[in-house]
This record gives sequence, C-alpha cells and structure tokens, in this order.
Amino acid sequence: AQKVTQAQTEISVVEKEDVTLDCVYETRDTTYYLFWYKQPPSGELVFLIRRNSFDEQNEISGRYSWNFQKSTSSFNFTITASQVVDSAVYFCALSEEYSGGGADGLTFGKGTHLIIQP
Amino acid sequence: GAVVSQHPSRVICKSGTSVKIECRSLDFQATTMFWYRQFPKQSLMLMATSNEGSKATYEQGVEKDKFLINHASLTLSTLTVTSAHPEDSSFYICSARSPLGGYTFGSGTRLTVV
Repeated sequence: AQKVTQAQTEISVVEKEDVTLDCVYETRDTTYYLFWYKQPPSGELVFLIRRNSFDEQNEISGRYSWNFQKSTSSFNFTITASQVVDSAVYFCALSEEYSGGGADGLTFGKGTHLIIQP
Repeated sequence: GAVVSQHPSRVICKSGTSVKIECRSLDFQATTMFWYRQFPKQSLMLMATSNEGSKATYEQGVEKDKFLINHASLTLSTLTVTSAHPEDSSFYICSARSPLGGYTFGSGTRLTVV
C-alpha cells in the first residue's frame, strides 16, 4: 500500500526567508505520480505540480522549486523568498497507476501548515 | 479548462436528514470521479471512486449505505450522506481525472450536522 509522510506539521518563517517542505513516499509500483497541492483557509485545493516516476528532473516555477529523488523516495518543495500569501497548508500526494493504464485516487500526506510572518 | 464545480459549498442540516452534494465536470467528460473527506486540521482521505455507469468502489471503513454515490452521466457525480449525524460533519471534496493530466478538484462542501 502506498503512503505519504510529511513530517513537518507546522513551519513558521519570516517573510523573504526560504523554506523547504519535506515529503517522503512509499509505493511498490514502478509507475506512479507525485503531486503538491496548496490549501488556503477557503479549503480549495490549488494544484502546484505533478511529476511522474520516470521524470527525476528538478523543476523550478518562479519562486517554487521541487527536488525529486527516487533514491530516497523524496519529493521536497522549496519556496524561495517566501511571502505572506504563501501561508497555507501544503499537501504532498501520491497516485499509483493501474496496470490497465488508469490512475488511482490520491493518497495524501498529513499536510504542512506553513505560516509566513510579515 | 478542466473545471470541476461542486455544490453546495456549505450546508447545515439536522441530525437524521440526508444531504446531497453534486460534483460536475464543466468542460470535459469524467468517467471517474473521486470523493474525499477532510476533518478539521487533518488530511484528505479518499472515501470512494465513482465510475460512470457502474457501482462506486469504496475504501475500507467507509459505509457504502451511508455514503451513496451516483455517477449517472459523464459530467455528474453525487454523494448523498444519508441519515447524517454530527460525526459526519466534515469537509467533502470531489475530484476528477483531468484531460490535461493529473486531477482537478471541486471547491469542497463544508457539512455541519446539528
């Protein structure tokens, strides 16, 4: 069975600091997908990134970057020069793929509550 | 593109009544939709997978007679919480596999049972 661990329950930093959110996953499948979502207080889930298991390239999108390392089963998320608007709960999630090519529902980590103080 | 609309966003109901939550894919067809539940300050837990034209697949521990799922068309899945009780109060959120890849989520429904 798959599992996603976000060991950091809450992180608080001062604005403009860099912050890294950790995500460690477990799966028996060789084909899987990893995701990061942002959940502001409104509750809506905001998609940030999707990465398949065959693509270990790191990705940068503006102030956001992701480091995928299969060797350590980690998919960490870094926010550079954090801003107050980055305050939210961030979820890492995993989806395994059926042999028929379909995708399973998502298994979410417990989330990291990120607080950016002005 | 790939928008999922979920209604209502908030509902308060009396204990013992039933509540229906709708999840619609607005600009694409969704043969598979997923229903999640999130208790306050906790993670999202997959409740069931809804398949168009067939029975839903429920995760272990989820009562299928209590959480009725209907996916009668390619754009609509409904979750009915039957005989709701205060412990069913939660945030329910649906998602669909997006034609753009990944998953698209509805905006969620906050259910309060009094």
